[in-house]
Amino acid sequence: DTAVSQTPKYLVTQMGNDKSIKCEQNLGHDTMYWYKQDSKKFLKIMFSYNNKELIINETVPNRFSPKSPDKAHLNLHINSLELGDSAVYFCASSQDTQADYGYTFGSGTRLTVV
Amino acid sequence: GDSVTQMEGPVTLSEEAFLTINCTYTATGYPSLFWYVQYPGEGLQLLLKATKADDKGSNKGFEATYRKETTSFHLEKGSVQVSDSAVYFCALSDRGYSTLTFGKGTMLLVSP
Repeated sequence: DTAVSQTPKYLVTQMGNDKSIKCEQNLGHDTMYWYKQDSKKFLKIMFSYNNKELIINETVPNRFSPKSPDKAHLNLHINSLELGDSAVYFCASSQDTQADYGYTFGSGTRLTVV
Repeated sequence: GDSVTQMEGPVTLSEEAFLTINCTYTATGYPSLFWYVQYPGEGLQLLLKATKADDKGSNKGFEATYRKETTSFHLEKGSVQVSDSAVYFCALSDRGYSTLTFGKGTMLLVSP
């Protein structure tokens, strides 16, 4: 039973399209995150939600819009995709707003924009 | 702001060799420290953690000790296996702040 699941695992799309990535966790965690991993493996926080409320929004283009319908789900919608959006996007969750216990990560969504 | 610095890779070792991956940090408070591992094509998995100075985290033969005086959290393993080949990330969580700050990752390649 997967703890943090993301769909799709791979996404290939053309520039200018709009796409969504879905994330669900069954751990009962209160906080969820989106991270972007670039081609050099560097991980950067994008968003954080706690109980459906946005608590962290790093410097991310407003083409990226997270949505949390309930505390078990955090989806990422991307408008007008650009080549530079190509990356692996990871969803993660943690027990509360402090990351002292660490995160549980999903297996990632590899987005390729052509 | 908070930051984590890891040694650059790749680190290339033969099976049964001793492993050290260096990690140092900068934080305003007293952070918790973590090592995560990412196997090819997978997400990150928590390997070990330490929440206060002099704590030692350990798991699967890997160890790291929280050294406040040197602001370090070096990862060690006495005898690596081919299956340990992966990217290793050092990370910190500052008190009262919910996100993890990651280092840039260190790739480990172990040959038979």
